[in-house]
Amino acid sequence: EIVMTQSPATLSASLGDRATLSCRASESISSNLAWYQQKAGQAPRLLIYGASTRATGIPARFSGGGSGTEFTLTISSLQSEDVAVYYCQQFNDWPPDYTFGQGTKLEIK
Amino acid sequence: QVQLQQWGAGLLKPSETLSLTCEVYGGSVSDSYWGWIRQPPGKGLQWIGEINHSGARHYNPSLKSRLTMSVDTSKNQFSLNLSSVTAADTAVYYCARVFGSAVLRLDLWGQGTLVTVSS
Repeated sequence: EIVMTQSPATLSASLGDRATLSCRASESISSNLAWYQQKAGQAPRLLIYGASTRATGIPARFSGGGSGTEFTLTISSLQSEDVAVYYCQQFNDWPPDYTFGQGTKLEIK
Repeated sequence: QVQLQQWGAGLLKPSETLSLTCEVYGGSVSDSYWGWIRQPPGKGLQWIGEINHSGARHYNPSLKSRLTMSVDTSKNQFSLNLSSVTAADTAVYYCARVFGSAVLRLDLWGQGTLVTVSS
C-alpha cells in the first residue's frame, strides 16, 4: 500500500496570505496525484489532478506542483471561502488501491 | 451535466449487510470506472474500491473479504454491499466517478450517505 502523508495537520493563515500544503508519497507515484477540498458537511470537490492541472471551474489562485514523492498545493491569496480540509490522493498503485492522505485543515487566523 | 444520486439504509445492527446504490444521471454507467469512498465521523477519507460496467473490480485489500460491488447497466446504477458490519464501519459513504484514462481523478461525487452501525 502506498502511504500518503500530509503536512501540516492544521494550517492557520491570514486572509490574502499564500498558503502551501504538502503531501508526501511513500514511494514514487510520478504525477498521479489529485487534490480535493472538503468543506464542512459537504462532499469533497476535485481541485487538481495530474499533480498540476486545475479541474474545471477551480480559481487560478489554486495551483499544484511536484512529482515523484513530494507534492504541494498552493493557494496564492487566501480567501475566507477557502476554509476547508484538503486531501491528496494517489492513483499510481496497481492493483488499484487509491489511498488518501490524512488531510490538512486550513483555518483563517 | 452528469450527476450522482445515492441512497441506502442509514442504520444497521452489527453483523448486518450494508447496501448502497448510486445512480448516474445525465451520463452512462458504461463510460467510466465508479468508486466508493468512506469517511468515519471526524476522520479522513478511505478508498473502498472501484468497478466498471464490464464487472472489472478492484477492492481495498483490508475490506475485500466483506465487499461486493456490482453494476446494473439497465438502470444506470452501481452498488456496494459490505457484509458483517461492525461499529468500525460507521461512516459517511460516497460514490464517485473515476474519470480519465492516463490521468485519473474522482471528478464527480454523490451527496454522501451516513451509515451508522449500532445495536
